[in-house]
Amino acid sequence: EIVLTQSPGTLSLSPGERATLSCRASQSINNYLAWYQQKPGQAPRLLIYGVSSRATGVPDRFSVSGSGTDFTLTISRLEPEDFAVYYCQHYGRSPTFGQGTKVEIK
Amino acid sequence: QVQLVQSGAEVKKPGASVKVSCKASGYSFSNYAMNWVRQAPGQRLEWMGWINAGNGDTKYSQKFQGRVTITRDTSASTAYMEVNSLRTDDTAVYYCARPRRILWFGEFDMAVWGKGTTVTVSS
Repeated sequence: EIVLTQSPGTLSLSPGERATLSCRASQSINNYLAWYQQKPGQAPRLLIYGVSSRATGVPDRFSVSGSGTDFTLTISRLEPEDFAVYYCQHYGRSPTFGQGTKVEIK
Repeated sequence: QVQLVQSGAEVKKPGASVKVSCKASGYSFSNYAMNWVRQAPGQRLEWMGWINAGNGDTKYSQKFQGRVTITRDTSASTAYMEVNSLRTDDTAVYYCARPRRILWFGEFDMAVWGKGTTVTVSS
């Protein structure tokens, strides 16, 4: 099983600032990496798949860099609706999730 | 449009079983897999298993193997997830989630989600 470790646990930022979230895998994930956004009381929403491809309707302020085992989700300028919990996921035959990073308003 | 509609909230006693349904619409049900994911209060997302809606093949997380059963009814375009021998720590929101692409691609991301079913286990 691939273990995903996300950091930091919580990110306290102001609207307009840049957010940098990390996801590290215990072994190579062969591009089967996705990111999800979850707001309180809602189901998660797919943001990114195939390491760096944005899902339909996802604004281009969301981007992902990295390869192999280390990946970074960047939100270039935080909008009010971006404050949420973000999960990375390996979506091979046995999917796993990271523990999440909460992006909160400072 | 593509939609997954889940059954309503359940309250169960420890040791009981619960079966959650997920009715799909807006796409060809048998051409996709269906994942089941749960989230305990304040906890991370946890993948439980998936089913190939075409041939019924399943794969389960080791954590849930033997206690969870995922099935489907293609005539009703509905997937089911049953948990046996419920414990209080099974209290969670249970989601069904469909991948972005058809089964042929062998990918198990989660592009379409149900709204979730709250299962509460309490004596």
